[in-house]
Amino acid sequence: EPEVTQTPSHQVTQMGQEVILRCVPISNHLYFYWYRQILGQKVEFLVSFYNNEISEKSEIFDDQFSVERPDGSNFTLKIRSTKLEDSAMYFCASRKRVSTDTQYFGPGTRLTVL
Amino acid sequence: QKEVEQDPGPLSVPEGAIVSLNCTYSNSAFQYFMWYRQYSRKGPELLMYTYSSGNKEDGRFTAQVDKSSKYISLFIRDSQPSDSATYLCAITDSSYKLIFGSGTRLLVRP
Repeated sequence: EPEVTQTPSHQVTQMGQEVILRCVPISNHLYFYWYRQILGQKVEFLVSFYNNEISEKSEIFDDQFSVERPDGSNFTLKIRSTKLEDSAMYFCASRKRVSTDTQYFGPGTRLTVL
Repeated sequence: QKEVEQDPGPLSVPEGAIVSLNCTYSNSAFQYFMWYRQYSRKGPELLMYTYSSGNKEDGRFTAQVDKSSKYISLFIRDSQPSDSATYLCAITDSSYKLIFGSGTRLLVRP
């Protein structure tokens, strides 16, 4: 069964460093998402992406964040200058089409900012 | 008022019990309702998805939606220790961005 994959599974970085989290969505899916979950808190929407542009973003998704689909398979989340409060699990999700389908999540990348 | 409210638990039941998990939501524009299961430090796994009031059954799982009360439920019959996880309700409108509840932690004791 096709699934969303994410790399790395765990990323440790120093505050102020740039990180890139990578995702390979399910191959025939058209809509892509990033969510994050701070330890012990709820899963929060960050951004949605369709047709090579951002569809919607949350208040969390400020100028430090960017997303890109550099080729036909990868979908990346970049954090330019990480802060301690960026430490969280980051989940990528993808969805096939507009009306009745829903989102399938990857296993997540645990980001630890020291 | 929070958009989606969910009792965090934990909920501890003996093996074989019927489990009832619930969420309430505030915005009547929400039209799609999902239940995800999440094991510790893993990604949410889709269990059930519905977009109408009423019941939807899949094996031991039944999802129930009452749009008039803005209330959704997940029932698990014949619960197993392997069902021990956190259960997340998620709701969306036409934007399709998911709004999650805080999750209910379930423990099924052998």
